[in-house]
Amino acid sequence: DSGVTQTPKHLITATGQRVTLRCSPRSGDLSVYWYQQSLDQGLQFLIQYYNGEERAKGNILERFSAQQFPDLHSELNLSSLELGDSALYFCASSVRPSPDTQYFGPGTRLTVL
Amino acid sequence: AQTVTQSQPEMSVQEAETVTLSCTYDTSESDYYLFWYKQPPSRQMILVIRQEAYKQQNATENRFSVNFQKAAKSFSLKISDSQLGDAAMYFCAHSTGGGADGLTFGKGTHLIIQP
Repeated sequence: DSGVTQTPKHLITATGQRVTLRCSPRSGDLSVYWYQQSLDQGLQFLIQYYNGEERAKGNILERFSAQQFPDLHSELNLSSLELGDSALYFCASSVRPSPDTQYFGPGTRLTVL
Repeated sequence: AQTVTQSQPEMSVQEAETVTLSCTYDTSESDYYLFWYKQPPSRQMILVIRQEAYKQQNATENRFSVNFQKAAKSFSLKISDSQLGDAAMYFCAHSTGGGADGLTFGKGTHLIIQP
């Protein structure tokens, strides 16, 4: 157990819908990262927050957004969902911004029908 | 742009034997970390080992060790005394310093352990 929690574990929804994925970092970690793992794209970095502020963006679509709250938990919002958004979404956390060891949560499996 | 290349899509090893997984990377940064993560069928991403680029000594964690060749930008993982529980996808990843971005992952190597 890495200490990073993610909810829900599984999510099934329809195209065009909006969903929110939630992540709680390890105790003491200030930095949160979101990743997408799909069969065709592999593991891709989406976005990073550090102590409540957006720190870096990766390959995140404009339909996706995220935020980190004062208690340091983070939410990833995915809207206007398409079939291709079906993937495993991971949250990771670290004490410091990069470079630092990132510990991953168990992931949220999103299926868009 | 940073890239990470794992040239072995799949490797197979007999239980109790030693196997080496290859990884090369490309970066213009001088301060960075390298990682190997393991992803078993449960899909959890588990940290196996970490190497800081400024350290000359190769990292070791029990049966897992790395061969870090900074000039060659090579970072291989050696698993000794392979066990059935080592069967998984192994991902090499690179994290830069100075900036603030996420990990860049290779495509992974599927490790099969033959009993």
